[in-house]
Amino acid sequence: QKEVEQDPGPLSVPEGAIVSLNCTYSNSAFQYFMWYRQYSRKGPELLMYTYSSGNKEDGRFTAQVDKSSKYISLFIRDSQPSDSATYLCAMRQRTGGFKTIFGAGTRLFVKA
Amino acid sequence: DTAVSQTPKYLVTQMGNDKSIKCEQNLGHDTMYWYKQDSKKFLKIMFSYNNKELIINETVPNRFSPKSPDKAHLNLHINSLELGDSAVYFCASSQASGTFQETQYFGPGTRLLVL
Repeated sequence: QKEVEQDPGPLSVPEGAIVSLNCTYSNSAFQYFMWYRQYSRKGPELLMYTYSSGNKEDGRFTAQVDKSSKYISLFIRDSQPSDSATYLCAMRQRTGGFKTIFGAGTRLFVKA
Repeated sequence: DTAVSQTPKYLVTQMGNDKSIKCEQNLGHDTMYWYKQDSKKFLKIMFSYNNKELIINETVPNRFSPKSPDKAHLNLHINSLELGDSAVYFCASSQASGTFQETQYFGPGTRLLVL
């Protein structure tokens, strides 16, 4: 079993839809949770990060962490064609070299 | 100005050849990384250097050898290339290792195809 599981999609939605992207993890030592966005033929860029269980909002994006269920989500409101990209969840332990473990990434297509 | 740059962007080569990929960051960061992203977009760390010292060395074949001439550069040399080495290789950098909250900045990637 991989440490981080993420459905690769693809996920196709119409413009304006609410998008929900999810990851599950098995290592309860993960303390720091991130979402990266990767456009085609580009490097990943950090979109959001959070430490604790609960919600964190930034504009149209909300990151949610449920440590008891080992489950994280990224919600995108009012999705735009420019949101079309691959979204990778990532997480890190507080100790052990701070190695970042990435999910496989979910490809999202937002149709105009 | 490009923060993390990699050369070349594309590399097509024959099996058995030796090749190098170069990475440079102008962010003044102390830590640099090499990641491999396979055809299914799975991104996995290979190496990490902090101030020219190796701090993460994942289970990769010893045909892969990173070299850090200074803290702004981290190069990756690959000997005896194999078909399975075909992937996109990303360089990244972060301010300092030692805080687990550090943000990593990625380069544009080098697309390696081994024929």
